[in-house]
Amino acid sequence: QQQVKQSPQSLIVQKGGISIINCAYENTAFDYFPWYQQFPGKGPALLIAIRPDVSEKKEGRFTISFNKSAKQFSLHIMDSQPGDSATYFCAATGGGGSNYKLTFGKGTLLTVNP
Amino acid sequence: NAGVMQNPRHLVRRRGQEARLRCSPMKGHSHVYWYRQLPEEGLKFMVYLQKENIIDESGMPKERFSAEFPKEGPSILRIQQVVRGDSAAYFCASSPPVPDRKNIQYFGAGTRLSVL
Repeated sequence: QQQVKQSPQSLIVQKGGISIINCAYENTAFDYFPWYQQFPGKGPALLIAIRPDVSEKKEGRFTISFNKSAKQFSLHIMDSQPGDSATYFCAATGGGGSNYKLTFGKGTLLTVNP
Repeated sequence: NAGVMQNPRHLVRRRGQEARLRCSPMKGHSHVYWYRQLPEEGLKFMVYLQKENIIDESGMPKERFSAEFPKEGPSILRIQQVVRGDSAAYFCASSPPVPDRKNIQYFGAGTRLSVL
């Protein structure tokens, strides 16, 4: 059972464009939703995260939008740059004392063309 | 301040051999997590350890897999009698002694295990 569904699997965007990656979750006990960025040969690195008590969080060019009723959240990358080319994972955790157990989506391979 | 260190970065084993993956957490971190990433899949939680204790191993396969985090030295993920299906990237993460609600986990670069 996949508890976090991520789409699209891959995404190609032109430099300066907006990249949008979507995730949906099933477990209503989740209460923390981080996004990780992974470059080839590297481990995932925390990019930005949100809790369900807010609908949006912005850090620089990266914004998370959160829709609690729909159990969906998305990552928007504004003014996408070639250096943003990486695999992005959404994740979720929380509930029942297991706030350490990250549940990941399958990832989105983002390519930003110059 | 070194990050989470994993070694080896690449490991090749033949079926039936043993694989030992090592993880040194970030300085000052005493919580270690292991995740497995199969091809075309996201990372899957395997086990959560603190020094000398296994806290949650609900994601570990019931057989052939074991993990430890001794008082001294790195955390070890051990896979006995490897099979081709064990081929994956294994990531270790660590977090500080008292995780806050965010429980930010810092990941290593992973060990790519290939079973021939």
